[in-house]
Amino acid sequence: KAGVTQTPRYLIKTRGQQVTLSCSPISGHRSVSWYQQTPGQGLQFLFEYFSETQRNKGNFPGRFSGRQFSNSRSEMNVSTLELGDSALYLCASSLAGGESEKLFFGSGTQLSVL
Amino acid sequence: GEDVEQSLFLSVREGDSSVINCTYTDSSSTYLYWYKQEPGAGLQLLTYIFSNMDMKQDQRLTVLLNKKDKHLSLRIADTQTGDSAIYFCADTQGANNLFFGTGTRLTVIP
Repeated sequence: KAGVTQTPRYLIKTRGQQVTLSCSPISGHRSVSWYQQTPGQGLQFLFEYFSETQRNKGNFPGRFSGRQFSNSRSEMNVSTLELGDSALYLCASSLAGGESEKLFFGSGTQLSVL
Repeated sequence: GEDVEQSLFLSVREGDSSVINCTYTDSSSTYLYWYKQEPGAGLQLLTYIFSNMDMKQDQRLTVLLNKKDKHLSLRIADTQTGDSAIYFCADTQGANNLFFGTGTRLTVIP
């Protein structure tokens, strides 16, 4: 069974640009969540999608958005990039998002904003 | 708001036991988790404990939960060099919304 796949693995952008990151969950998983990991702020929750609907959102500005497709694949978009958006973006999936469910993480997309 | 604290570094000798500690503030958490992150990789769920339990053992891993003191610990018996990684404790704030601690970097000395 394939794990959570995130593409691309690395990305370099400049300030003001926008970026789209992709996440393919484990087959059969319908809940996809996104996290930002930085040395200064640690791991922070961005948002969670289930059946194409955003169920939960963290404390990030509106420049961060996401969506989920009918096949449960998800994308997140960051517009008007800032230097502080440089981070490892992690996607995770589970069956339905229940608290006792095992959450599987991808290897992440390392975004560098210059 | 919620706060989850961990010490930043821990070094142990191969074969010894490691104990990683975590304190949290949100007493309403139903589950508490331990994740492991190796260099260049995502997070791997090691174990979790339901909030009405005091202890959970899973092979070399033992989780202790003191709800009164809001203290969680992870003990790794017979620590190996492959256990070198960053360990995060986390609690739930909603559907797949985990609040992570700062992480403890475990270094195992051969």
